[in-house]
Amino acid sequence: QQQVKQSPQSLIVQKGGIPIINCAYENTAFDYFPWYQQFPGKGPALLIAIRPDVSEKKEGRFTISFNKSAKQFSLHIMDSQPGDSATYFCAASKSGNQFYFGTGTSLTVIP
Amino acid sequence: IAGITQAPTSQILAAGRRMTLRCTQDMRHNAMYWYRQDLGLGLRLIHYSNTAGTTGKGEVPDGYSVSRANTDDFPLTLASAVPSQTSVYFCASRRGGNSYNSPLHFGNGTRLTVT
Repeated sequence: QQQVKQSPQSLIVQKGGIPIINCAYENTAFDYFPWYQQFPGKGPALLIAIRPDVSEKKEGRFTISFNKSAKQFSLHIMDSQPGDSATYFCAASKSGNQFYFGTGTSLTVIP
Repeated sequence: IAGITQAPTSQILAAGRRMTLRCTQDMRHNAMYWYRQDLGLGLRLIHYSNTAGTTGKGEVPDGYSVSRANTDDFPLTLASAVPSQTSVYFCASRRGGNSYNSPLHFGNGTRLTVT
């Protein structure tokens, strides 16, 4: 059973567009929601993370929106660039014991 | 440069053979993890270790074993490889404790093909 459901599987946007990747979870005990970015041939790297006591977090061009009542969170990439082309994973954790990952979204930003 | 080193970077293995994937970290992190990455399935936890001397099973532990003799090393062993274990394997570590202040750090993976 997938603990964290992620969509879409793939996404293509024009340079400057705002891709949005969505994730949903069921376990209300989760208390940490990170997003990881992965380039080909590399391991995932932490991009941005949020706790459930805030509804939004921004770091540069990356924003997480968090809806606790709906048990959903999403990643927005403002002014997307070709260098943002990568695979993005959402994840959830309960007290750091185990991290459950979504299935990933392959993003392509066309110049 | 501090981080996680995985070896080998890739391997082709005949079914039935034994294989150990190596993982070493130099960040003195307490917790270490092994994930497998498969297209459409994301990252799935195989085994983990919260501290040296302890290990635990993740979501997909069957066919794999681990050991944690010291803080730095966390090898993953496939006792008798099967084609369904063809995957990219990632080792990860974190300092431990509160998730927010202790994110996961990943190695660059081992691409394993079982024929």
